[in-house]
Amino acid sequence: EAQVTQNPRYLITVTGKKLTVTCSQNMNHEYMSWYRQDPGLGLRQIYYSMNVEVTDKGDVPEGYKVSRKEKRNFPLILESPSPNQTSLYFCASSLGPSGPESRYFGPGTRLLVL
Amino acid sequence: AQSVTQLGSHVSVSEGALVLLRCNYSSSVPPYLFWYVQYPNQGLQLLLKYTSAATLVKGINGFEAEFKKSETSFHLTKPSAHMSDAAEYFCAVSNLGQNFVFGPGTRLSVLP
Repeated sequence: EAQVTQNPRYLITVTGKKLTVTCSQNMNHEYMSWYRQDPGLGLRQIYYSMNVEVTDKGDVPEGYKVSRKEKRNFPLILESPSPNQTSLYFCASSLGPSGPESRYFGPGTRLLVL
Repeated sequence: AQSVTQLGSHVSVSEGALVLLRCNYSSSVPPYLFWYVQYPNQGLQLLLKYTSAATLVKGINGFEAEFKKSETSFHLTKPSAHMSDAAEYFCAVSNLGQNFVFGPGTRLSVLP
């Protein structure tokens, strides 16, 4: 089954404690991206990757890091989480960054930073 | 730059009534348009998309949308709402060479 998986689904942590949210896709997609969803703000893109070893900032990259060492994986790293990073996070993948290709989304990771 | 507006952050309809969720876009080149649905505690899933073939697009769960270039609109409709349609709906626009842009979303409530 074609899918995007994320782990963990729920995470509670404290300010400053480094964490990683994993994302994996099994569709051989070149493009992957991370979004955060906040009430009233919709979906905002954090980082994206056009291919292995190629990443770039989205609209709200501050406080986040990513890496793309393998085509299927695109982890999101919070080196020193702060309460304003409490949010719902989605990983997505697609064949390309734009055009008619649909984005496929993971189930989401709900993060609470105390 | 392209953009999407969705009129109404929250729409309520009675079960069995028509669902109409509005989406207007701005794009300098022919767009590709998408509707996604997000059920509670789930990720987004594709409902339907317009890719310059037929202007009336049918999707899953009885939804359809019509691309109207003159109105720069891509409204989502369903003739008869079901309780299971309660969710958040996102319109998105894309075109070659530019990123995917999501609208702010519309939360649909279905009243018994």
